[in-house]
Amino acid sequence: GAVVSQHPSRVICKSGTSVKIECRSLDFQATTMFWYRQFPKKSLMLMATSNEGSKATYEQGVEKDKFLINHASLTLSTLTVTSAHPEDSSFYICSAKGRVNTEAFFGQGTRLTVV
Amino acid sequence: AQSVAQPEDQVNVAEGNPLTVKCTYSVSGNPYLFWYVQYPNRGLQFLLKYITGDNLVKGSYGFEAEFNKSQTSFHLKKPSALVSDSALYFCAVRRYQKVTFGTGTKLQVIP
Repeated sequence: GAVVSQHPSRVICKSGTSVKIECRSLDFQATTMFWYRQFPKKSLMLMATSNEGSKATYEQGVEKDKFLINHASLTLSTLTVTSAHPEDSSFYICSAKGRVNTEAFFGQGTRLTVV
Repeated sequence: AQSVAQPEDQVNVAEGNPLTVKCTYSVSGNPYLFWYVQYPNRGLQFLLKYITGDNLVKGSYGFEAEFNKSQTSFHLKKPSALVSDSALYFCAVRRYQKVTFGTGTKLQVIP
């Protein structure tokens, strides 16, 4: 299957700082990328959907000014958590889908800890 | 609106026994259905999908799933469970670009 690489796998940042998470499709062009947040007890929450070259569509209740998503190329999307707070600590997962793929492929996830 | 229900938080099965992880869905039109597996602190790995055609779909690692339109179900099955199958399993439905996941089922295979 297609490969999606997410970086970093773990990050610890201080409260008030910003952190950027990258999601790359390595062997296909990702026309659509998705960002999820996974809470303890495992439920996966879709945060936003981004199409290459256009603004991301955020799900209800997700602060677009706090979670900045950029999908500037067909192989890269970034999620920036701005002014991070401890409650932003979570596991963030990206997925990517190309024009011909019926399924989305997932990155390895990023464990964010805000201290 | 579309939704996915995984009614069991956890399924325990003895190694070598058959396993079933349940999933029901609600979506307008023809669904695209998926199963993913997640190991601790990792992203999701694609197992199998149903788009159209045979109701029994075969996927990775010996898993299969049966699509039942009348019951709106897409249960994941494996004839003989391995300890290494222990993980978190997610069912998902896709309609256009929107993918909705179930809450996940933890599978525990007991040696």
